[in-house]
Amino acid sequence: QVQLQESGPGLVKPSETLSLTCTVSTDSINRYYWSWIRQPPGKGLEWIGYIHYSGKTNYNPSLESRVTMSLDTSKKQISLNLSSVTAADTAVYYCARMIYRFGDLGGMDVWGRGTTVTVSS
Amino acid sequence: EIVMTQSPATLSVSPGERATLSCRASQSIGSSLAWYQQKPGQAPRLLVYDTSTRATGVPARFSGSGSGTDFTLIISSLQSEDFAVYYCQQYIGRPPMYTFGQGTKLEIK
Repeated sequence: QVQLQESGPGLVKPSETLSLTCTVSTDSINRYYWSWIRQPPGKGLEWIGYIHYSGKTNYNPSLESRVTMSLDTSKKQISLNLSSVTAADTAVYYCARMIYRFGDLGGMDVWGRGTTVTVSS
Repeated sequence: EIVMTQSPATLSVSPGERATLSCRASQSIGSSLAWYQQKPGQAPRLLVYDTSTRATGVPARFSGSGSGTDFTLIISSLQSEDFAVYYCQQYIGRPPMYTFGQGTKLEIK
């Protein structure tokens, strides 16, 4: 069973760039689409975007101007960069594997445990 | 943006009873709907996708139904481990834009 592990700084200063990595435990990174999702403290879930090993990406329009995702198959890692952060970006950040069947994307069937990021000076 | 509205916000049910959770989309999403369960301090867990297909390892007491704009998740006989927050999520479109409902907290009565 594939496992996902998010990592990165737990504290980021306002206006700086948040950078996180998700490490995939198997060689399946080039067979799936991968998403980032976040959850502010005490609140619901927000989809940030997804990436495929082909380079195809799709971002939430509300974050698109600040988000960049990349994928390194040799390291089995998916990366998230979120620029110009504010306190509103404080959240638990999850990476997740996406269901893909018959040419269509579905929900997220495998999730990492998440990593907490606080934006504060 | 498609807005997902879940009801009720909190549902109190006794163990062994049936729980019915609702999710409504602001426009038709066909059957492009998933349900997740989240317990405190844990990541969400996929329960159902494509409205009614149970994910691997999900007990048969969880069942999803609906189409278009109105969807339901039924837990037929609540177990202690089922008390959690449940989220619906839509993924219509090519490419899909994912949005979640605000969640329903299922608590012990």
